[in-house]
Amino acid sequence: KNQVEQSPQSLIILEGKNCTLQCNYTVSPFSNLRWYKQDTGRGPVSLTIMTFSENTKSNGRYTATLDADTKQSSLHITASQLSDSASYICVVSAGYQKVTFGIGTKLQVIP
Amino acid sequence: DTAVSQTPKYLVTQMGNDKSIKCEQNLGHDTMYWYKQDSKKFLKIMFSYNNKELIINETVPNRFSPKSPDKAHLNLHINSLELGDSAVYFCASSKGRGGSGNTIYFGEGSWLTVV
Repeated sequence: KNQVEQSPQSLIILEGKNCTLQCNYTVSPFSNLRWYKQDTGRGPVSLTIMTFSENTKSNGRYTATLDADTKQSSLHITASQLSDSASYICVVSAGYQKVTFGIGTKLQVIP
Repeated sequence: DTAVSQTPKYLVTQMGNDKSIKCEQNLGHDTMYWYKQDSKKFLKIMFSYNNKELIINETVPNRFSPKSPDKAHLNLHINSLELGDSAVYFCASSKGRGGSGNTIYFGEGSWLTVV
């Protein structure tokens, strides 16, 4: 069964600090992995997309890593800002059509 | 300019009613989706259309019926609403099929509350 598990479920950090969110998956055959940011009351917005051959990708202060051997990904947020407060969702695609969402990590950045 | 727009944003209705949520995308994408996000914030795909053709139909009650009049529109009609249908429904679109690595763009969601 294709599954995507994220940890931690929730996280509170001080503004300016770094944090790392984890995503483990059992999706097969692996096609690509994405990280989305979902602000409260809004739709998810894409941050990064990585295929099998990519092991790191950055988008500003967001850096995603992928280890396709261990089926793990992480999203590292550098110098967090209050606007980073959101849910971060890991999404893994199997083959051409099957897309599996993680439940998300809720991040709260406090001053 | 809104890329994926859905209406209404909020909908409160009684059990047993029939309601529709409309979705339009102006990105020129050929694939559109409906997702349901439950109270635990878990996003789950319901339907996907590619060029007006149904390509993904997950196990949802047949009270839910998607309709795609053209590839820029994908509406969701729900018959005989039940309390358990209360959720946020997201419309989305992508160029090509979602599993192929193309970015999926989401609308802002429609908050459905069944009372």
